[in-house]
Amino acid sequence: NAGVTQTPKFRVLKTGQSMTLLCAQDMNHEYMYWYRQDPGMGLRLIHYSVGEGTTAKGEVPDGYNVSRLKKQNFLLGLESAAPSQTSVYFCASKGEGAKTGELFFGEGSRLTVL
Amino acid sequence: GQQLNQSPQSMFIQEGEDVSMNCTSSSIFNTWLWYKQDPGEGPVLLIALYKAGELTSNGRLTAQFGITRKDSFLNISASIPSDVGIYFCAGRNYGGSQGNLIFGKGTKLSVKP
Repeated sequence: NAGVTQTPKFRVLKTGQSMTLLCAQDMNHEYMYWYRQDPGMGLRLIHYSVGEGTTAKGEVPDGYNVSRLKKQNFLLGLESAAPSQTSVYFCASKGEGAKTGELFFGEGSRLTVL
Repeated sequence: GQQLNQSPQSMFIQEGEDVSMNCTSSSIFNTWLWYKQDPGEGPVLLIALYKAGELTSNGRLTAQFGITRKDSFLNISASIPSDVGIYFCAGRNYGGSQGNLIFGKGTKLSVKP
């Protein structure tokens, strides 16, 4: 009964380093999303996917890349991390027949870029 | 880009009090949602509203989709300590894509026992 699992939960990077955040869902959901949450801000959409092999840009896509090679996994990559990317990252998924907003969120991944 | 104005930003209330928070938008939405985020967790959907004027309850929580389609409110009655957290409104406008869900900045609720 895992739902949406994000790894790692915490990570500290130096400016210029690269890393990948993994999101895995076991609910056979079609749609998957990556959001970032900053203090005093709501969630902002980075990229999303409407199905295996597809990705699309959200509100704040610059500096990030994503891949959805398998239906259950959605990867978020930072090729060259910058301090402005210090944030808490949330992955979410939604079933194809679900209504708007019926998102299941992971517990978050806290990233610090020094 | 589009923004949602959510107020208040934070609230400190006594256990047992009622709570009210709201969201407004400059554009018309066809969906309004309310989420709660506990510390260290991801948001969880509380109430979803899909029709103008709709009033929906979930236990002690009640939310309404404003008749103008540009606002929504969330009320919590008889607050308890576990109501502590950040409440987010979110909305989607007509013609919005699957990714076009816009979130407010949140209302942080603190409850004093």
